[in-house]
Amino acid sequence: EAGVAQSPRYKIIEKRQSVAFWCNPISGHATLYWYQQILGQGPKLLIQFQNNGVVDDSQLPKDRFSAERLKGVDSTLKIQPAKLEDSAVYLCASSADRGAQPQHFGDGTRLSIL
Amino acid sequence: SQQGEEDPQALSIQEGENATMNCSYKTSINNLQWYRQNSGRGLVHLILIRSNEREKHSGRLRVTLDTSKKSSSLLITASRAADTASYFCATGFTGGGNKLTFGTGTQLKVEL
Repeated sequence: EAGVAQSPRYKIIEKRQSVAFWCNPISGHATLYWYQQILGQGPKLLIQFQNNGVVDDSQLPKDRFSAERLKGVDSTLKIQPAKLEDSAVYLCASSADRGAQPQHFGDGTRLSIL
Repeated sequence: SQQGEEDPQALSIQEGENATMNCSYKTSINNLQWYRQNSGRGLVHLILIRSNEREKHSGRLRVTLDTSKKSSSLLITASRAADTASYFCATGFTGGGNKLTFGTGTQLKVEL
């Protein structure tokens, strides 16, 4: 089966600009996750979708970050405006459903803020 | 916040040796998972162990879980250069809907 697809792989922007990331999960996976991974740390969950509904967005900085999953398939994560501390790798993952099971990750988007 | 703490932070061994990584966590869990991350890539799931299990094996991997001590260990036997990567433990809790909290990771280097 095809894995989780993310684009772009790299993005460089200046602070206060906006940026968007795209994710296509494994076909049929109902649950989609966006993580932020700062260099040298483990991934931190930003938002979790079940189909097209939000399950958990408690760690999403809602004043600047937004995410949507229209039609319960693809998802986009947006940052507007970007801050220097947003420099990180943004990882998308998916799982078949919400029970205890493996999550499948894409290779991420590396974001650098100048 | 990071739920798990891996120990050691970095580990360097020779090919053929065994590598052991430990993970400690703070709150009650219903499952614990281990993932591998190669440089510049996403995470790859290795093994999932539920809170009512004490040990699981998968190929050269052996995972133990001690819920009384809130700790887990990952053993890689007969390591290979291709095992060089960062290893993360992640904890899930009952009612969490498969939400995982990742630890800080162990960087493993396997030298020829």
